Amino acid sequence: TQLLEQSPQFLSIQEGENLTVYCNSSSVFSSLQWYRQEPGEGPVLLVTVVTGGEVKKLKRLTFQFGDARKDSSLHITAAQPGDTGLYLCAGDTSGTYKYIFGTGTRLKVLA
Amino acid sequence: EAGVAQSPRYKIIEKRQSVAFWCNPISGHATLYWYQQILGQGPKLLIQFQNNGVVDDSQLPKDRFSAERLKGVDSTLKIQPAKLEDSAVYLCASSLRGTPGTEAFFGQGTRLTVV
Repeated sequence: TQLLEQSPQFLSIQEGENLTVYCNSSSVFSSLQWYRQEPGEGPVLLVTVVTGGEVKKLKRLTFQFGDARKDSSLHITAAQPGDTGLYLCAGDTSGTYKYIFGTGTRLKVLA
Repeated sequence: EAGVAQSPRYKIIEKRQSVAFWCNPISGHATLYWYQQILGQGPKLLIQFQNNGVVDDSQLPKDRFSAERLKGVDSTLKIQPAKLEDSAVYLCASSLRGTPGTEAFFGQGTRLTVV
């Protein structure tokens, strides 16, 4: 059973455009993480959000955790080809650091 | 700081054969995870260890998959016998325990192809 649904599943945009990726669940998470995964590599952590309503910024990336801690979004401003990859959200429902991954959003940024 | 090491990187086997994967986590990391990532999907947790004890193996197909973490450090994941649907990347990750939202560090994974 997949607890975390991500949308869109695929996204192809031109360099310089903005985009938002969503991560939704019916479960409440004690913490939620966003990862980026490149082909042939393991996922790499981008950010962890813990508090409902929390907003974190990482250069051109803005992450938001929903007030009810059931959803999150990742916004990329002025996308670059280097942003290409699989974006994964992962949530911990039990506080035991057992992270359930979402379905993933595959992003391609065209030069 | 050395990352999570996994071997082999690639493995091709015939169905019904056995295979084993090895993982060496980051030194001092108490928690170790094995994930299965089928092409085009997010990783699925197979088993979670805390030191050498199993915390969660509810998603592990125990009729064919087994995992151990002797001495609470290295871990091995075994599949016996393999099926075609086991073709996937097997990712190992480790993390410290104690703070909310602790970061999990992933290895590069082992890509298994069952033919």
